[in-house]
Amino acid sequence: EVQLVESGGGLVQPGGSLRLSCATSGFTFSSFAMTWVRQAPGKGLEWVSGISGSGNGMSYADSVKGRFTISRDNSKNTLFLQMNSLRAEDTAVYFCAKGGRAAAGPIYFDYWGQGTLVTVSS
Amino acid sequence: QSALTQPRSVSGSPGQSVTISCTGTSSDVGGYNYVSWFQQHPGKAPKLMIYDVSRRPSGVPDRFSGSKSGNTASLTISGLQAEDEADYYCCSYAGAYSVVFGGGTKLTVL
Repeated sequence: EVQLVESGGGLVQPGGSLRLSCATSGFTFSSFAMTWVRQAPGKGLEWVSGISGSGNGMSYADSVKGRFTISRDNSKNTLFLQMNSLRAEDTAVYFCAKGGRAAAGPIYFDYWGQGTLVTVSS
Repeated sequence: QSALTQPRSVSGSPGQSVTISCTGTSSDVGGYNYVSWFQQHPGKAPKLMIYDVSRRPSGVPDRFSGSKSGNTASLTISGLQAEDEADYYCCSYAGAYSVVFGGGTKLTVL
């Protein structure tokens, strides 16, 4: 059974940092692209960042470029999102999601975690 | 990276059909056959309903179908049921390993 479990969310002051983790199981982690998607309270889904199965290819939304860094540890089947210089507008539930096709880019996402809430406030 | 355009809300009675549109550009929807649709109930994670424009994952009822013409994709739900009431999001690959979502559509089953 495929499982994705996010952790690391919480309350942080503006300008602060957080590192989110997404522990996975039930599939060959290194074969699939992974992504982070966020949802601000009462708002829609926003793609944040994606990374290839090998970790060599990655991309970011303009809204987080230069502040967030996506990475993965294929030996531990875990995805990460390092978030620096956090702003109030980064407040959201952050979901990790698995790419749907092996050895392909982020063309669709077939499994999602339950999300972890990040609140940026003083 | 502008969001894809979806109607904010649609509604239909049980048994009827509804169609949700998703308009992008030639750089996303029109440029790739990688449009997907997600269903999200309140407080839950999104669920994949359609991928590759018109393919259904196993377990998704065939009442859900997808299509695309030019820069606009569509999700049609036929034989509406009460449990279909949810938010629906389209999503498209946009090149350079990036993805863009639609703003979301709230489906109300009357």
